[in-house]
Amino acid sequence: AQKVTQAQTEISVVEKEDVTLDCVYETRDTTYYLFWYKQPPSGELVFLIRRNSFDEQNEISGRYSWNFQKSTSSFNFTITASQVVDSAVYFCALSEAASGSGGYQKVTFGIGTKLQVIP
Amino acid sequence: NAGVTQTPKFQVLKTGQSMTLQCAQDMNHNSMYWYRQDPGMGLRLIYYSASEGTTDKGEVPNGYNVSRLNKREFSLRLESAAPSQTSVYFCASSEKAGTGGTYGYTFGSGTRLTVV
Repeated sequence: AQKVTQAQTEISVVEKEDVTLDCVYETRDTTYYLFWYKQPPSGELVFLIRRNSFDEQNEISGRYSWNFQKSTSSFNFTITASQVVDSAVYFCALSEAASGSGGYQKVTFGIGTKLQVIP
Repeated sequence: NAGVTQTPKFQVLKTGQSMTLQCAQDMNHNSMYWYRQDPGMGLRLIYYSASEGTTDKGEVPNGYNVSRLNKREFSLRLESAAPSQTSVYFCASSEKAGTGGTYGYTFGSGTRLTVV
């Protein structure tokens, strides 16, 4: 069974601080996909990144970076020089490649980490 | 703008009433999903449609039905609403990756449903 743990329920940082959101996953598959989504106070869910299990390269996109380590089953998300607009709930998710009915690949979401950036 | 359109945005129902949540996507995605979001529980899958003409149960299907009307539209129906169905509902769509796994979902803006 697949599982995603986001142990940090809420984090508060002061603007311009760096912050790392932790994500630990469990899966028996050797092929799987990891995701991060952002849910700002307005409520919509926004896809941020997808990473497959064969690619352990870190990813950087502006102030955002992701550290994928298979050895520790972690896919952590770091925001550098945080801004108030980064205040949101962030969800980590895992999809196994094994096909379910009709080719569906089950996606399991963590419970989310609420990040508050204080000006 | 391309995306997933979900209606209504807000709804209050009395226990026992029925309603249908509508969802449409214009990205030509094959797969569509209905999730509910509850505090402390993340997103839980209610039903999904891997492709046009197919629907399957997710983690929490009880009390719901779905219809994949065509490739664009996927509706969620509550036949007899209960207070336990008070939640925020999200529709999503995705295109299957050729090598397995799924690209990121595109979500609708959500429906906040309250059952009293």
